[in-house]
Amino acid sequence: AQKVTQTQTSISVVEKTTVTMDCVYETRDSSYFLFWYKQTASGEIVFLIRQDSYKKENATVGHYSLNFQKPKSSIGLIITATQIEDSAVYFCAMREAYNTNTGKLTFGDGTVLTVKP
Amino acid sequence: NAGVIQTPRHKVTGKGQEATLWCEPISGHSAVFWYRQTIVQGLEFLTYFRNQAPIDDSGMPKERFSAQMPNQSHSTLKIQSTQPQDSAVYLCASSPGTSGNTLYFGEGSRLIVV
Repeated sequence: AQKVTQTQTSISVVEKTTVTMDCVYETRDSSYFLFWYKQTASGEIVFLIRQDSYKKENATVGHYSLNFQKPKSSIGLIITATQIEDSAVYFCAMREAYNTNTGKLTFGDGTVLTVKP
Repeated sequence: NAGVIQTPRHKVTGKGQEATLWCEPISGHSAVFWYRQTIVQGLEFLTYFRNQAPIDDSGMPKERFSAQMPNQSHSTLKIQSTQPQDSAVYLCASSPGTSGNTLYFGEGSRLIVV
């Protein structure tokens, strides 16, 4: 069964600095997809960035980037030049590729990021 | 483009009553998902439709929960005989297809059972 673990419950940083959030996953599939989502104070869950397991290059979107370490089953999210509005709960998630009979996205428990002035 | 639309945003219902939640996926998306979020359990998968057909309902509590997708623009989640433990935020998401496609979430329906 697939499992996603986020060990950091909360992180607090000063704005304009860089933060890294950790995530490790478990899967028996050789092909899978990894995602990071952000949940804002209003409750909205917003897609941020994804990494396909077969791609060696780390994904980057705006000031979000990933640190994909496949041998360690790890997919860290890096946010550079943090802003106050980055304060939110960040979820790591995984979806296996070959079991198309389930579209199940498995989520971690989330990391609360607080960005302070 | 409009995102996933969920109604109602908030619903308070008495114990034992029925609650129906609606979801309109993003136009052109063929996959629709329902998730439930609580403080204790986090984000839990409930059920999944592809091209309106039910594919996986492994997360659905069997006795009182049901979901349907009568057409490509509309899905419903119905909870019969609601219980306080059903209180949660119910999230609908859609994606363009299957497997690796990204899910896009609605803003959720907060259900409170008193």
